[in-house]
Amino acid sequence: GESVGLHLPTLSVQEGDNSIINCAYSNSASDYFIWYKQESGKGPQFIIDIRSNMDKRQGQRVTVLLNKTVKHLSLQIAATQPGDSAVYFCAENIRGNRDDKIIFGKGTRLHILP
Amino acid sequence: DVKVTQSSRYLVKRTGEKVFLECVQDMDHENMFWYRQDPGLGLRLIYFSYDVKMKEKGDIPEGYSVSREKKERFSLILESASTNQTSMYLCASSSQTSGRSPYEQYFGPGTRLTVT
Repeated sequence: GESVGLHLPTLSVQEGDNSIINCAYSNSASDYFIWYKQESGKGPQFIIDIRSNMDKRQGQRVTVLLNKTVKHLSLQIAATQPGDSAVYFCAENIRGNRDDKIIFGKGTRLHILP
Repeated sequence: DVKVTQSSRYLVKRTGEKVFLECVQDMDHENMFWYRQDPGLGLRLIYFSYDVKMKEKGDIPEGYSVSREKKERFSLILESASTNQTSMYLCASSSQTSGRSPYEQYFGPGTRLTVT
């Protein structure tokens, strides 16, 4: 939404450089960690996920790293482009007795410098 | 191309009104979700549904109800709108059977609701 980024941490990256967006999670029982991207005026869009038994997964121009020891997740974007400008959310799954849902973090705004 | 549509992009309602937010998906997805998004708080789950006529409370269900009479449609109802329900509302859907990530949710564009 238009005002989603008012109180967000912001990462500014030069176009063409690599971006690294970090996230700390809290639930040791989560078995999936997910990254979403939200462009201005649009709903979030799934980027990539990683299972808890992995420490690295690569997609198209993106790499997600998972460090379970320190409960840290990162999203690396190679050769950042203007179209990468967005708010990025990490999320983790929470399994209950009857449900399986995801909990979103508060987001990081990625700003691309020309 | 997958599509989730929401009935309105912008909505202004008065305190105490009953408000209906409609969401339709054309992907034959089993799962549907309603979130609200507020500055500094990220996305918070209100209600979700894994099947027709089935609903589960999310993290902040108070003041809301939902209806899922058909597989493709999931409605969010504000029984008596209050100013603290002013927010961006996002609907999403996902598949249980596609073979893709179980957490790949497809979102609609959102409805910006203002309650005065």
